[in-house]
Amino acid sequence: GAVVSQHPSRVICKSGTSVKIECRSLDFQATTMFWYRQFPKKSLMLMATSNEGSKATYEQGVEKDKFLINHASLTLSTLTVTSAHPEDSSFYICSARQVDSNQPQHFGDGTRLSIL
Amino acid sequence: DAKTTQPTSMDCAEGRAANLPCNHSTISGNEYVYWYRQIHSQGPQYIIHGLKNNETNEMASLIITEDRKSSTLILPHATLRDTAVYYCIVRVDSAGNMLTFGGGTRLMVKP
Repeated sequence: GAVVSQHPSRVICKSGTSVKIECRSLDFQATTMFWYRQFPKKSLMLMATSNEGSKATYEQGVEKDKFLINHASLTLSTLTVTSAHPEDSSFYICSARQVDSNQPQHFGDGTRLSIL
Repeated sequence: DAKTTQPTSMDCAEGRAANLPCNHSTISGNEYVYWYRQIHSQGPQYIIHGLKNNETNEMASLIITEDRKSSTLILPHATLRDTAVYYCIVRVDSAGNMLTFGGGTRLMVKP
């Protein structure tokens, strides 16, 4: 079945560092990918919709200059957390769905980001 | 997208069937019912989805009422590995549509 790969699975870094998270669709093409954030014991919250070849669409309250999204190909979207601070520590998850298909969305295994 | 209501938590004995209910009384005619689950510290896993008819796959069965205002996910023989948060989501089936997650049901399968 469709697989979405997310890398890295865990990042620990100092405050002020920028961190890039990759999301790849391994056996299908995805014009649209989604980035979610999840805090402990909470549900997933959509951050932005990543569109191949165009600008991402951000949800209200999500800073686009803070969370840079690039969707350069049909199989790769990246989320860069710029100048990360402790409050950015969270579980970041991407999802994707095959183009022109009735297949459901599939999710990556998430990236746990810890900012010290 | 229609809102869903699920119990916050449920327990189930290992080997027994787990029946997880979901209310979606405002569902529209073109909205599908999706079920995902999230095991601790992992991304959500797709389970099953349906529009009107009952559906079954290797993981579970989905029973949708005739008026489509509620549904039940059935795990026929729950195992300890089925302990997870189960999310019921309704939305129009379109590649561009994101999934909106509610609180889900925390299913605890006990020995």
